[in-house]
Amino acid sequence: QKEVEQNSGPLSVPEGAIASLNCTYSDRVSQSFFWYRQYSGKSPELIMSIYSNGDKEDGRFTAQLNKASQYVSLLIRDSQPSDSATYLCAVNNRGYNQGGKLIFGQGTELSVKP
Amino acid sequence: ETGVTQTPRHLVMGMTNKKSLKCEQHLGHNAMYWYKQSAKKPLELMFVYNFKEQTENNSVPSRFSPECPNSSHLFLHLHTLQPEDSALYLCASSQVGLARPPRGTDTQYFGPGTRLTVL
Repeated sequence: QKEVEQNSGPLSVPEGAIASLNCTYSDRVSQSFFWYRQYSGKSPELIMSIYSNGDKEDGRFTAQLNKASQYVSLLIRDSQPSDSATYLCAVNNRGYNQGGKLIFGQGTELSVKP
Repeated sequence: ETGVTQTPRHLVMGMTNKKSLKCEQHLGHNAMYWYKQSAKKPLELMFVYNFKEQTENNSVPSRFSPECPNSSHLFLHLHTLQPEDSALYLCASSQVGLARPPRGTDTQYFGPGTRLTVL
């Protein structure tokens, strides 16, 4: 079983729709969860971090965490063509004060069609 | 300069060459990381440095040799690489030992990467 799993996609949504990206992780002691966006040929850039169960909203982005189900998701509302990228889920299964051993999923490729 | 910088951005080298990748962070962080990203594979953590001390070596071959002279600089020395080492090499930094999130943060910030091609 992979430590962090994502559907590789591609996920195709029309402009203006909601894109839903999902991620599951295997290590129950994981404490920190991140979503990064990576455009082709570029490095990952942070979109959201989430640490507690529930929803966290930032503009058009909402991260959802369910530690009991070991599941974290990212919703993108009013999707734009500029959101087309690969979205990486990352999990830190170390203590926050022990240095970050981020485990990444393989990424989900999102395509937003005009 | 702001954020995390990496040089060179592109590097082509032969299998017998020796080269070094450089990373510098301008965020005041105390932890730095090297990652490898190969095509169609997840990001792989290679090395972790906390307060200049190496705390993680993720079974990386000895032809990759990291160096962290201070909390702001990180190097990756390369020698006798193989074609399968061709990849995007990413540096990241974070602050370790802050208050527990979410009051503190263990977020890692990435540099632009070095695209390495081994012939």
